[in-house]
Amino acid sequence: NAGVMQNPRHLVRRRGQEARLRCSPMKGHSHVYWYRQLPEEGLKFMVYLQKENIIDESGMPKERFSAEFPKEGPSILRIQQVVRGDSAAYFCASSPPEGSTYYGYTFGSGTRLTVV
Amino acid sequence: EDQVTQSPEALRLQEGESSSLNCSYTVSGLRGLFWYRQDPGKGPEFLFTLYSAGEEKEKERLKATLTKKESFLHITAPKPEDSATYLCAVRPSNTGKLIFGQGTTLQVKP
Repeated sequence: NAGVMQNPRHLVRRRGQEARLRCSPMKGHSHVYWYRQLPEEGLKFMVYLQKENIIDESGMPKERFSAEFPKEGPSILRIQQVVRGDSAAYFCASSPPEGSTYYGYTFGSGTRLTVV
Repeated sequence: EDQVTQSPEALRLQEGESSSLNCSYTVSGLRGLFWYRQDPGKGPEFLFTLYSAGEEKEKERLKATLTKKESFLHITAPKPEDSATYLCAVRPSNTGKLIFGQGTTLQVKP
């Protein structure tokens, strides 16, 4: 009964490179959320997706960041041309469809991105 | 604007010394208030969901309560293994996302 799987756990990128973070939701969960956590700060919402659909991207920076959740495969958070300020822990959460007997949010272990 | 404020930012307790963590919120219709525990280097671990004022939930040494403006996480006779950051989050009625507070970092000394 795997939970939310994120990979890689740690990612080091040089300034200007691209970072791709992957998230596989829990079995039976159809909604995926991405959050960013800077050192000593709380979790900041970035984007909410369902399969092939972005529902809410109000927390995504306007440039260089994109997210997708294709029909097959994991959700991907993509950061182009990374800068030092992108260094953070990125967490993915998933939830079941509305109206499920148990409705809650399960988080993965995160991807720690370091930009050098 | 939907907002969550947690206090204190940090709390040091002796083992067995009970205390409470506060989570104040303003939200456009509350569809749930969530408490999570986060250990260093790990993802948030679910503790409780509260839906309406007056609701209470308990788990081992933890008890969460909810009013129309705030929630408390009461820790009774804490142990060193309760040391962690405790996160509070709200789900507004018009969205599926969670809005988190900054967290309270609890340290319990033996």
